[in-house]
This record gives sequence, structure tokens and C-alpha cells, in this order.
Amino acid sequence: DARVTQTPRHKVTEMGQEVTMRCQPILGHNTVFWYRQTMMQGLELLAYFRNRAPLDDSGMPKDRFSAEMPDATLATLKIQPSEPRDSAVYFCASGSGTNTDTQYFGPGTRLTVL
Amino acid sequence: DQQVKQNSPSLSVQEGRISILNCDYTNSMFDYFLWYKKYPAEGPTFLISISSIKDKNEDGRFTVFLNKSAKHLSLHIVPSQPGDSAVYFCAASYGPNTGNQFYFGTGTSLTVIP
Repeated sequence: DARVTQTPRHKVTEMGQEVTMRCQPILGHNTVFWYRQTMMQGLELLAYFRNRAPLDDSGMPKDRFSAEMPDATLATLKIQPSEPRDSAVYFCASGSGTNTDTQYFGPGTRLTVL
Repeated sequence: DQQVKQNSPSLSVQEGRISILNCDYTNSMFDYFLWYKKYPAEGPTFLISISSIKDKNEDGRFTVFLNKSAKHLSLHIVPSQPGDSAVYFCAASYGPNTGNQFYFGTGTSLTVIP
């Protein structure tokens, strides 16, 4: 049963600390998306990749967030330094990049910055 | 600026009745629309989609209606079941390719009362 995996599932950290979230997309998928879920904005797109190349990261605060795909099986989202307003659930999703109509979401990382 | 809006944060419906979830969008260039369903502590899962060349798409108990002139779509669930209780997100994109960005609404929490 192919699925997107994310680690950690929960993270509690103190303001100013670095946070790294990891995502393993579904094998064979070539598009990867990072979303943040907040009450006010719903699901905000932070960044997305196609064939490991970043296509759009305009949704990310550039000064503290960075997203990378070191290889086809791993996507990372880093926050440095973290702030309390970063507290949210972060989702990774992957897609096959073809004319299918679905992005497959991981279970999310719940981040709490104290 | 939120291009996809779900103005009802929550909805309660009796089991067996119809649930109607609404979504409005502002960008007339959107031509593909989707609904995702999200249970607590899980990632969103794809539910149903519709292309702008159609005004209705049906899948079992779920039907999505699209009114392009009003920039409005709705999801009908008939009959509603307790297992349908979840948060429903509306999304829009410029095309059916998952390589395109999805714009999500803020979600509507549906509670189906047994």
C-alpha cells in the first residue's frame, strides 16, 4: 500500500531552535508539495518540486524556511530559527505529474514552538 | 489573498439527510476543482473532482456541482452517514495535472449526527 510518510509526527521545540521535517513521497511520484495547515488560511502551499527541482517556493518565509529534495525519495523542510507563529501542522503531498487528478498527502507533522 | 473560500467553518446534519458544502472562488482561470476529506490526525484524501467543461460529477453518494458563472461549487452527500464526519477542503487549479498548484479553501467541518 503506497503512501507518503512524514517524520516526525509531532515536534515540540523552543523558539529559536532549528526544526527539520522529512517526507518520503510515493515511489515513482515526481512532484512533491509542502503545505501548512492553519485555522485562518486552511492549507497553504509553501513550496513544491518537480523532478527534485524547486518550482515555486513563494509561499515560504525565505529568511527562515528552506525546502530541499536531496534525492527522489526524500524531501525536507527546515525552519531556522523557529518562532511560535510557525506552530501548525505541516503536510507533504506527492503526485505523479501526469494527467491524474490527485495529490497524495502524508499524515502531517504537528509542530509546536514554545 | 484567499482565492478559494469556504465561508461555512462548520455544518451539522442528521444521519440520512443531505449534506451540502459550498465553495467559492475568485479566479476565473481555474478550470479544475477538487474536494478533499480530512479526518483528525490524518492527511487529506482525495474525494471527487470536476473539470470546468462539466457542471456535475457524481460518485456514489457524492456529487459535485459547478456553476462557472457564479464561480461556485458545491459538494452534496446523500445520504449522509456518521463516517462522513470530517473536514472537507475545496481546491482549485489551472488544470488536472498534479504538477500544477492546488489552491485550497479553509475547510468546512461536517458533523453527521446519528
